[in-house]
Amino acid sequence: DAGVTQSPTHLIKTRGQQVTLRCSPKSGHDTVSWYQQALGQGPQFIFQYYEEEERQRGNFPDRFSGHQFPNYSSELNVNALLLGDSALYLCASSQSGHLGYTFGSGTRLTVV
Amino acid sequence: DAKTTQPPSMDCAEGRAANLPCNHSTISGNEYVYWYRQIHSQGPQYIIHGLKNNETNEMASLIITEDRKSSTLILPHATLRDTAVYYCIVRVNAGGTSYGKLTFGQGTILTVHP
Repeated sequence: DAGVTQSPTHLIKTRGQQVTLRCSPKSGHDTVSWYQQALGQGPQFIFQYYEEEERQRGNFPDRFSGHQFPNYSSELNVNALLLGDSALYLCASSQSGHLGYTFGSGTRLTVV
Repeated sequence: DAKTTQPPSMDCAEGRAANLPCNHSTISGNEYVYWYRQIHSQGPQYIIHGLKNNETNEMASLIITEDRKSSTLILPHATLRDTAVYYCIVRVNAGGTSYGKLTFGQGTILTVHP
């Protein structure tokens, strides 16, 4: 049973560009959350999607947007990249009505 | 901001029990205590969670004080592979759904040495 799959694993972008990160949730999970983890810090909540809608959002600017598809997979889009957006981006999936989250291994984004 | 306080680092000898403390003095009655760990370059891994009773699974035990203001994660026989950052998180389970976000703090770096 595949867990949470994220792609790509590593990415280098130039300041000002746009990036799309992808996440396939664990089989049976219908809720997807995204987190940003800067070096040496704990993950910070970006937003959560359920039933193709954004249900909760953390303290991130509108440059960060997302989408959830009917098959429950999700994308994280970041526009106008800043050097400070360099981080590990983690996707976590869960099943509504249950408490456990499963995290993917993340996408390492480097903005130069 | 995280609602938990953990020591920044701890050491443990291989084969011994690792006891990781966490303070959550402002925890609400409907908030659960969760523990995750993160091994270098991987995503966080769920360990255990509880509301008010002590819990045990194949990975660890969770001891929650009666007033619920603190808890301890116990790894009964630590191995070198248990070296990781351990996060204690309190979280509301909103209405039985999984809408609640996880608010991570800095965690405790546990180093298991031979």
